[in-house]
Amino acid sequence: QQPVQSPQAVILREGEDAVINCSSSKALYSVHWYRQKHGEAPVFLMILLKGGEQKGHDKISASFNEKKQQSSLYLTASQLSYSGTYFCGTEERGNEKLTFGTGTRLTIIP
Amino acid sequence: GAVVSQHPSWVICKSGTSVKIECRSLDFQATTMFWYRQFPKQSLMLMATSNEGSKATYEQGVEKDKFLINHASLTLSTLTVTSAHPEDSSFYICSASIRRQGSYEQYFGPGTRLTVT
Repeated sequence: QQPVQSPQAVILREGEDAVINCSSSKALYSVHWYRQKHGEAPVFLMILLKGGEQKGHDKISASFNEKKQQSSLYLTASQLSYSGTYFCGTEERGNEKLTFGTGTRLTIIP
Repeated sequence: GAVVSQHPSWVICKSGTSVKIECRSLDFQATTMFWYRQFPKQSLMLMATSNEGSKATYEQGVEKDKFLINHASLTLSTLTVTSAHPEDSSFYICSASIRRQGSYEQYFGPGTRLTVT
């Protein structure tokens, strides 16, 4: 069963913040975040390995709540280039395979 | 680093023919590669895991005789769609796995759009 992401879609004005959630029904070893633009392959954003871990780069950050089997992606002061569909990929322990979430379509407007 | 190429970018073929898609890791060696299929506005669905020198592992519901996978070297995996039908039309994406920071990160190729007429 694939992880559920929320919201399914969101429209923001440039400069606004967004939070994307990823919730799994299974115990997780790691969570990977990707952004995919239309017609292109997913681009790796970051990986979270440990429960309680938070990580960020530029204005995109993420957290991983291992107990709740959840992860959240935070985009602050959004830019037009942030538009795309965001997927979380969850990895179970001892298994390189990723199960991708349902996806969140983010649209940034000027 | 961690660049993955895929060829061709798109292909149109007639029903009943076979199509081969190549996936290469350009600047690293990948012991494991993955093949995904993505339908419009949907998530990525894992089809199979490809390990160099061994048989691929297919996900439940994926026909191994229809989707032939060969992982010939540490930098090349191929997916052959045999006897393609219109319902096989989709976006096929490969990824290559590289170990970093105690886990495996997957980097994706640009994808191949298959249209079966």
